[in-house]
Amino acid sequence: DQQVKQNSPSLSVQEGRISILNCDYTNSMFDYFLWYKKYPAEGPTFLISISSIKDKNEDGRFTVFLNKSAKHLSLHIVPSQPGDSAVYFCAASGSASNFGNEKLTFGTGTRLTIIP
Amino acid sequence: ETGVTQTPRHLVMGMTNKKSLKCEQHLGHNAMYWYKQSAKKPLELMFVYSLEERVENNSVPSRFSPECPNSSHLFLHLHTLQPEDSALYLCASSQGGSGSLFFGPGTRLTVL
Repeated sequence: DQQVKQNSPSLSVQEGRISILNCDYTNSMFDYFLWYKKYPAEGPTFLISISSIKDKNEDGRFTVFLNKSAKHLSLHIVPSQPGDSAVYFCAASGSASNFGNEKLTFGTGTRLTIIP
Repeated sequence: ETGVTQTPRHLVMGMTNKKSLKCEQHLGHNAMYWYKQSAKKPLELMFVYSLEERVENNSVPSRFSPECPNSSHLFLHLHTLQPEDSALYLCASSQGGSGSLFFGPGTRLTVL
């Protein structure tokens, strides 16, 4: 049973437009959420995170929104650029994480393609 | 070298071979991880080492054997693997409480 779900395996967006990637979770104990970006032949890299005490976190072109009641988060990228083409993973963590032990549960990823 | 490095980047092995994957982190972190990424599946946590002690083993078959000799190095010893073990094996590190992992580029493993 997947606790973190990314229901769209792929998404294509025109350059300059907004990209919206969605993620749903089922475990109400999750209180920290992260997005990772992965290029081919590279490991995932941390992009942005949000704590459950917030409903929005912004970093440049990237904004993550959290709707706790719906157990849903989304990543907005605006404006989208060709270099944003990658696989995006949503991940979640519960407050049971111990020191030095980041127990992240990942989604299956969404492949974003930005069309020039 | 910076960040998290992994060797080899690609590995093809037979079911009777013994091989090892190596990971090194240059970030001064105190926790290291092995993840497995199979096609169309989420990243699966295999092992966690915190301060060189194994703190997590997510019911991984014994044909995978981790070793963490110090806080900068992590190995995954492989023995009598199955074709379904073919996947991308990712190493990661973190500094406790930071909430984010730093991943290596992965080893693409193919078991024939």
